[in-house]
Amino acid sequence: DQQVKQNSPSLSVQEGRISILNCDYTNSMFDYFLWYKKYPAEGPTFLISISSIKDKNEDGRFTVFLNKSAKHLSLHIVPSQPGDSAVYFCAASTTTGTASKLTFGTGTRLQVTL
Amino acid sequence: GAVVSQHPSWVICKSGTSVKIECRSLDFQATTMFWYRQFPKQSLMLMATSNEGSKATYEQGVEKDKFLINHASLTLSTLTVTSAHPEDSSFYICSAKVAGGHDTQYFGPGTRLTVL
Repeated sequence: DQQVKQNSPSLSVQEGRISILNCDYTNSMFDYFLWYKKYPAEGPTFLISISSIKDKNEDGRFTVFLNKSAKHLSLHIVPSQPGDSAVYFCAASTTTGTASKLTFGTGTRLQVTL
Repeated sequence: GAVVSQHPSWVICKSGTSVKIECRSLDFQATTMFWYRQFPKQSLMLMATSNEGSKATYEQGVEKDKFLINHASLTLSTLTVTSAHPEDSSFYICSAKVAGGHDTQYFGPGTRLTVL
């Protein structure tokens, strides 16, 4: 049962344009969401997160939007740069209790072309 | 800040031997560390949650006697793959959560294990 889904396995965007990566979840108990960037043979790098009490969080070129009613979040990267080419994972957790686990999506490979 | 290291970055071993992987939080204390496994072109699969000073909590389907986890201090957790077999070959990644912080996990660079 895939509780966090990234339905687009890949995305190609031209340099300077906006990249929009999407993520859907099914577990209504999730209340904290994160985006990670990953290069091959490396660990994921934390990008940005959002709590369920917000619908938007912005950090430089990265903005995450959360639509709780639709159980959907998206990561916007603008402007996209060639160095953004990587696999992006969304992750979700429930903050109740201790040592909350992250549930990861399957990832979207972003390629930013010149 | 929030740097996590892993050692070794890659290891090749013979079938039947044991391999230890270290995960260290370099600039923060981590009461909780996590061990993941990633197969090619797949997502990260959580293997176990490691709490300092207590036994690890393993995910369903993960053999605790095969994947021994020790979290002896607030900055170090180790994963030992015992009696490794070729099917254990994978990319193992640890992460750490800042003590008292929110749920953001910071990941190590990963360890590529190849069992011959």
